[in-house]
Amino acid sequence: ETGVTQSPTHLIKTRGQQVTLRCSSQSGHNTVSWYQQALGQGPQFIFQYYREEENGRGNFPPRFSGLQFPNYSSELNVNALELDDSALYLCASSLQKYGYTFGSGTRLTVV
Amino acid sequence: DAKTTQPNSMESNEEEPVHLPCNHSTISGTDYIHWYRQLPSQGPEYVIHGLTSNVNNRMASLAIAEDRKSSTLILHRATLRDAAVYYCILRSNTNAGKSTFGDGTTLTVKP
Repeated sequence: ETGVTQSPTHLIKTRGQQVTLRCSSQSGHNTVSWYQQALGQGPQFIFQYYREEENGRGNFPPRFSGLQFPNYSSELNVNALELDDSALYLCASSLQKYGYTFGSGTRLTVV
Repeated sequence: DAKTTQPNSMESNEEEPVHLPCNHSTISGTDYIHWYRQLPSQGPEYVIHGLTSNVNNRMASLAIAEDRKSSTLILHRATLRDAAVYYCILRSNTNAGKSTFGDGTTLTVKP
């Protein structure tokens, strides 16, 4: 098993810019979920993709969007960055009801 | 979304058992109970999950109440490496099974 790989590990962006975060799922996993984790809080669900289609979304505005590719890797895109978007972004892959495998996350800082 | 409630913090002595409780009174029939733990600067790590019956693995045991409205994660002999934030979440076995994390329980293990 190769686990879940996220890139980059750290990123600094300016308010108003756009950012793309990438995630390589664990081999064989067809579901990928993205979470935002602010300091001292639990992960907040952004959205989930199953076989390249979004099939669940949390309370995040449309400027948060994503893609899942045929090889089940995924991207999270955030447009018009705001200061409050500064957080750890976590990607998790899984097989439906089974346990998630999380990556180590991307630390995004918006200045 | 079905939510879970956990104590903010718990303490244990090294080598002693630890029982971490979780309430999920609005659980539905298709929800699995999952437990994860998170160390600082890392993504959450899968610990265990179950549906109705108690479960054991090399890391921990999961005891599920008969009405499934609560569960307990049991660490049989706490070590210093078990100090982490523990999250109890519900995950539906449907394709759109998104999961909501609360703020978890911070476990402190004293030598």
